[in-house]
Amino acid sequence: QVQLQPWGAGLLKPSETLSLTCGVSGGSFSGYFWTWLRQSPGKGLEWIGEINHRGSTNYNPSLESRVILSVDSSKNHFSLHLNSVTAADTAVYYCARNLPFSPYYFDSWGQGAPVTVSS
Amino acid sequence: DIQMTQSPSSLSASVGDRVTITCRSSQRITNYLNWYQQKPGQAPILLIYGISTLQSGVPSRFSGSGSGTDFTLTISSLQPEDYATYYCQQGYNRPYTFGQGTKLEMK
Repeated sequence: QVQLQPWGAGLLKPSETLSLTCGVSGGSFSGYFWTWLRQSPGKGLEWIGEINHRGSTNYNPSLESRVILSVDSSKNHFSLHLNSVTAADTAVYYCARNLPFSPYYFDSWGQGAPVTVSS
Repeated sequence: DIQMTQSPSSLSASVGDRVTITCRSSQRITNYLNWYQQKPGQAPILLIYGISTLQSGVPSRFSGSGSGTDFTLTISSLQPEDYATYYCQQGYNRPYTFGQGTKLEMK
């Protein structure tokens, strides 16, 4: 049973960079897309982007200018960096596993990592 | 982006009731439709993928149907542990998008 565990800073000031890492254990790291999503009361569930073990990425165009995903396959980790944060980026951030074939669903999720942006 | 619209936004039902939640996509998404359940303070969990395939371990009282742009999640006989919020998600095009959720509450 694959498990995902996110960690990172939970309180940021406007204009800072959000950085979260997700560790994967109990399953294969290759052969999947590893995904970041977020959930806020105002915008619901939002897909941020995905990365595979080779570092190939896909991003949500609405966030692409501020997002970088990275991967460390030797440690089974993948990371999210979101720069120039504002209060609108306050949300619970989830890491999840995405099956790399149709119908493209998220079958395993980590616990949520709450992030607050406040001056 | 493909817009996903769920109805109703909230629903009151009693244990044993048959419950139906609807999801409509802004364009045809063939079978790229998935359903999730989320309880307060927890991450969503996958219930159904590809319109109607139950994820392993999901009780058979859950079922999915639909085609084209209109899809349905049905709980045949509501159980106490089913009170939660349900989301549909399309995997047809990136960015993957979710419905706004349907909160299932106790009547």
